[in-house]
Amino acid sequence: AQSVTQLGSHVSVSEGALVLLRCNYSSSVPPYLFWYVQYPNQGLQLLLKYTTGATLVKGINGFEAEFKKSETSFHLTKPSAHMSDAAEYFCAVSNSGGSNYKLTFGKGTLLTVNP
Amino acid sequence: GAGVSQTPSNKVTEKGKYVELRCDPISGHTALYWYRQSLGQGPEFLIYFQGTGAADDSGLPNDRFFAVRPEGSVSTLKIQRTERGDSAVYLCASSLESNQPQHFGDGTRLSIL
Repeated sequence: AQSVTQLGSHVSVSEGALVLLRCNYSSSVPPYLFWYVQYPNQGLQLLLKYTTGATLVKGINGFEAEFKKSETSFHLTKPSAHMSDAAEYFCAVSNSGGSNYKLTFGKGTLLTVNP
Repeated sequence: GAGVSQTPSNKVTEKGKYVELRCDPISGHTALYWYRQSLGQGPEFLIYFQGTGAADDSGLPNDRFFAVRPEGSVSTLKIQRTERGDSAVYLCASSLESNQPQHFGDGTRLSIL
């Protein structure tokens, strides 16, 4: 079984400040890891994913995340927040085996960006 | 190119009624998924189709829930004898193949009164 814990249901930053959204996962097999963003009344949009290879993954809109196996973490960062980054962010895990399609999501972190 | 389309965007119905939710995936995507997102939670996997067949329906909560994809394109999620606990946003996603990134629709917000 897999699970995802997102620390902090709500994160507030100032425009231009560092964004750090935390994600820890549990998986009995090597994981695939994802970050999705959800704007109000919209579906989820993939920001970035880790499957194999380089542990630092760059995504869209200036976001990146680092897979740290020893810490079972996949935290999302962005050096400088924009107002348009305000949204809900979901970390997700799937296994690297036959059921790699089945995403298990965390509860989400709502990011607020203050002017 | 069109993304994943879900209809209706909102559905309000009474407890005990039957509902159908429709998903039109991206053209050419063989894999299709349904998720349910309850208030304050992340999406939860319901079912995965590869082509016309349900390859994994392990997430369907009980036998009141059923989904079909008869021609390998459009899918319908069907809920019988709805209960207030079924109220949620139902998300559909599709991907080119099962190991490719999933593209999500905007969801159907289902409210059971």
